[in-house]
Amino acid sequence: AQTVTQSQPEMSVQEAETVTLSCTYDTSESDYYLFWYKQPPSRQMILVIRQEAYKQQNATENRFSVNFQKAAKSFSLKISDSQLGDAAMYFCAYRSVNTGGFKTIFGAGTRLFVKA
Amino acid sequence: NAGVTQTPKFRILKIGQSMTLQCTQDMNHNYMYWYRQDPGMGLKLIYYSVGAGITDKGEVPNGYNVSRSTTEDFPLRLELAAPSQTSVYFCASSPGGGGANVLTFGAGSRLTVL
Repeated sequence: AQTVTQSQPEMSVQEAETVTLSCTYDTSESDYYLFWYKQPPSRQMILVIRQEAYKQQNATENRFSVNFQKAAKSFSLKISDSQLGDAAMYFCAYRSVNTGGFKTIFGAGTRLFVKA
Repeated sequence: NAGVTQTPKFRILKIGQSMTLQCTQDMNHNYMYWYRQDPGMGLKLIYYSVGAGITDKGEVPNGYNVSRSTTEDFPLRLELAAPSQTSVYFCASSPGGGGANVLTFGAGSRLTVL
């Protein structure tokens, strides 16, 4: 069974600085998708970024980028030029590529604080 | 475009009471899911549905029931509420079940059982 581990329960960053959130996962599959979801205080989870495992190039979305290390099964999220609105809980998630792989596995989350 | 709408946002139940959490989506997504989120834990899948009339259990289905009579609606029923069901519940949907499909979430429903 697949597992997702986020070893940092909380992180803190100064506004305008860069922070990296860690995520490791375990799977025997060779093809899959990885996601970072953001849960702000409003509770509604939204997608931050998505990475396809067969693509070597790291995904980027504006100030958000990932460092995907397939061999190490690591998928970290880097937030550049941190803003107050980035303060939230961040969840790393894994999803199988197969049609039957409907289940998304979530990590326990990392709460990010942004200091003004 | 409302996306995924959940009601109610908050509810307090007494032990042994029953209630239904409502979920509706207007994106014509085939797949719908119910998750629960406990403090310090990731989201756990309760039930899912791959289309109208088809539902199946997830990781933590005990104490819950679902139905899917239409593509839009996926209510979650709690029978005989217990304190262990105190949690935040999220409904989500996706166009399909494959890995590329991104989940769209509702805003969550906080349930407290006393």
